Amino acid sequence: EIVLTQSPGTLSLSPGERATLSCRASQSVSSSYLAWYQQKPGQAPRLLIYGASSRATGIPDRFSGSGSGTDFTLTISRLEPEDFAVYYCQQYGSSPLLTFGGGTKVEIK
Amino acid sequence: EVQLVESGGGLVQPGGSLRLSCAASGFTFSSYWMSWVRQAPGKGLEWVANIKQDGSEKYYVDSVKGRFTISRDNAKNSLYLQMNSLRAEDTAVYYCAREKANWGSPAYFDYWGQGTLVTVSS
Repeated sequence: EIVLTQSPGTLSLSPGERATLSCRASQSVSSSYLAWYQQKPGQAPRLLIYGASSRATGIPDRFSGSGSGTDFTLTISRLEPEDFAVYYCQQYGSSPLLTFGGGTKVEIK
Repeated sequence: EVQLVESGGGLVQPGGSLRLSCAASGFTFSSYWMSWVRQAPGKGLEWVANIKQDGSEKYYVDSVKGRFTISRDNAKNSLYLQMNSLRAEDTAVYYCAREKANWGSPAYFDYWGQGTLVTVSS
């Protein structure tokens, strides 16, 4: 089983600042099969990024993903008020068995 | 518009059973892998189970193997999760999610329902 570890657990930033979220895998994720999701309180998760760096339909270009192997990053270039939420990474390199990271909360400083 | 609507959640005693349903609309249900993903109160996401388009393949997280059964009825555009021998640690919001396939294998989740809460408590 591929274990995903996200850091930091909580990121305290102000609107307009840059957010850098990390997702580290316990073993190499084949072909960068990694996705990122955003979840706001009381809502279902929303797909942001797949294939480590491809934005999903309708996702603003301030969201970007990068990385390969065991280290992946989600970057939000300039935080908007609506971006304060919890973010999860998910790997599908070991499909059909899928795993999520523990999440990073981006909160208003 | 793609819609996934879960139902069947509620309060059940430890050792009891519950059957969750997910009604899908707005897409060709029979063309997609489908999954159940759960989230315990205040915790992160956990993939639970998935099922191939024709129901011929099913996979489960270790913690539910032998207790939960995923199934689908393509004629009714519906996904199900039969949960038996429920434990307190199964308490969670259960989401139905559509999976995008990658070279025929389940990959990431592009649409999610709003979830149904299952509470296991005496």
